[in-house]
Amino acid sequence: DVKVTQSSRYLVKRTGEKVFLECVQDMDHENMFWYRQDPGLGLRLIYFSYDVKMKEKGDIPEGYSVSREKKERFSLILESASTNQTSMYLCASRLGDLLRETQYFGPGTRLLVL
Amino acid sequence: DAKTTQPNSMESNEEEPVHLPCNHSTISGTDYIHWYRQLPSQGPEYVIHGLTSNVNNRMASLAIAEDRKSSTLILHRATLRDAAVYYCILDSGGSNYKLTFGKGTLLTVNP
Repeated sequence: DVKVTQSSRYLVKRTGEKVFLECVQDMDHENMFWYRQDPGLGLRLIYFSYDVKMKEKGDIPEGYSVSREKKERFSLILESASTNQTSMYLCASRLGDLLRETQYFGPGTRLLVL
Repeated sequence: DAKTTQPNSMESNEEEPVHLPCNHSTISGTDYIHWYRQLPSQGPEYVIHGLTSNVNNRMASLAIAEDRKSSTLILHRATLRDAAVYYCILDSGGSNYKLTFGKGTLLTVNP
């Protein structure tokens, strides 16, 4: 089974802190994604990566950056956390887009910014 | 991006079939229809996907209208563990790949 793990299930940070959210997948997938999920808004794509060192902005990239130095690891960075970034963050991976394979999601990180 | 429309919520009784509808009137010819579900406090999980023909797997069936403007996810015998938010999503693929998740349908299963 594909496994997508996220470094923390819960995080509490203060406004202005730099925050790193880590995601690791163990199935050699090409594509990786970061979403945030908020009540009433569903899942929204922040960034995705289709290969090592490659990244594309999603629908809401402002205030975030990403890093993909190794194929299995995709990091989401909040350069200066703000209270409006309190949310559930979900990482996902997919083999590639050629055959429209499914996305596999991690368990999520619930981030609270005070 | 092509959008989907789903009811906000549906209710079912345990061990009865459930038909979850999805409208996607602006679907393009190469868009795949994916269904995911999200159980409480978990990340979404894949359920099923298809292009034109109806599809069956161990979790569910997917019925796609002939004009592809709508589809229905069928859970043949709902269990309490099927209570979740169900998302119908169009996958356009390509190098600008992204899935657009709507708000989904909250399925409640009554014992």
